[in-house]
Amino acid sequence: QVKLLQSGAALVKPGASVKMSCKASGYTFTDYWVSWVKQSHGKSLEWIGEIYPNSGATNFNEKFKGKATLTVDKSTSTAYMELSRLTSEDSAIYYCTRRRATPGDYWGQGVMVTVSS
Amino acid sequence: DIQMTQSPSFLSASVGDRVTINCKASQNINKYLNWYQQKLGEAPKRLIYNTNNLQTGIPSRFSGSGSGTDYTLTISSLQPEDFATYFCLQHNSFPWTFGGGTKLELK
Repeated sequence: QVKLLQSGAALVKPGASVKMSCKASGYTFTDYWVSWVKQSHGKSLEWIGEIYPNSGATNFNEKFKGKATLTVDKSTSTAYMELSRLTSEDSAIYYCTRRRATPGDYWGQGVMVTVSS
Repeated sequence: DIQMTQSPSFLSASVGDRVTINCKASQNINKYLNWYQQKLGEAPKRLIYNTNNLQTGIPSRFSGSGSGTDYTLTISSLQPEDFATYFCLQHNSFPWTFGGGTKLELK
């Protein structure tokens, strides 16, 4: 069955970077875009961007350009998102999800990122 | 960016009630509208895609409708497991945007 398994929670210092992973299984990784979504505590959801593993093509929310970097490793069916220059505003849960024609049929379990000194 | 205004933000209802949740887009989104359910501590789960298509495995008491800028999620007869938060998502144009959420609580 389809699974998106995300890496564990992270506690990082302000100004640092964090890289999280999303390992796909149960489907052909290169056939689906992988999107990333932010959920701040008690708030709604924000779409960060997406990457197409087959080509590396990306689409980004302008708000997250310069903040998020998306990459993939096709050999391990894993997508990565790195967030840089972290501030308290980046503390949130981050989800990966996939899409083919329509987004978000399967989601990872989420990664909680806490930015604190 | 397309703004998605979801209403109500909170909804109190009883088991067996029929409830509706609305999303209004700031411009025409051509029925590219999905609905998600999220329970505390869990990832969102897709219920409906492209306005009115029921996700596999989702009970038929959930349905969606709408066009243009106005969309509705209906739960025909609330079950205990339906008390959760619901979000809409427009995927007509980048950046995709979510509604602010509706928290459905037991009255």
